[in-house]
Amino acid sequence: DTEVTQTPKHLVMGMTNKKSLKCEQHMGHRAMYWYKQKAKKPPELMFVYSYEKLSINESVPSRFSPECPNSSLLNLHLHALQPEDSALYLCASSQGWDYPPDTQYFGPGTRLTVL
Amino acid sequence: KQEVTQIPAALSVPEGENLVLNCSFTDSAIYNLQWFRQDPGKGLTSLLLIQSSQREQTSGRLNASLDKSSGRSTLYIAASQPGDSATYLCAVGTDNYGQNFVFGPGTRLSVLP
Repeated sequence: DTEVTQTPKHLVMGMTNKKSLKCEQHMGHRAMYWYKQKAKKPPELMFVYSYEKLSINESVPSRFSPECPNSSLLNLHLHALQPEDSALYLCASSQGWDYPPDTQYFGPGTRLTVL
Repeated sequence: KQEVTQIPAALSVPEGENLVLNCSFTDSAIYNLQWFRQDPGKGLTSLLLIQSSQREQTSGRLNASLDKSSGRSTLYIAASQPGDSATYLCAVGTDNYGQNFVFGPGTRLSVLP
């Protein structure tokens, strides 16, 4: 199974809502990532979890809160978002730092619209 | 700070043509380089990964080369097909853990039947 799944596929939320994005992989990968991608732009790294610990936080606003409950699951909790946060949110996974640098496997993304 | 550029930004070719996509990066101290494909509104699919010690990688009709000293990589697609239409992104690995990639803006490819 070389698949990364993301739910929901689409999400529309108001600026006062609280919602969560979910990402799951069953490849035994120990590194998981959140990226944000605006239309016609490349993905921008937001967070990296390595062995369930947050290893990279690219100065993301606190209205985005990541969580890694276990090695297979990654969540992104959203609260008080702004319309400019509307984007495609991509999750990815890779083997982990104690392996040779390898490819990242991406999920299909969650299309988020903030009204 | 590593910067990655891709030329051309968009490309339209008739089916069957061979084509080359270009990727340039400003800092030659990279650990690896990947080429990804992205269909509209979808996630990324890894096509080829070249480690810093390698010069090229091949997969089917795809061949990617890497010249670290000049800060360049090319993706060669042979005998293009309409199904190859997508955006192609190169990403430069900037850490030894394979966790931090800097992406280029992509090349939007259209292969016309």
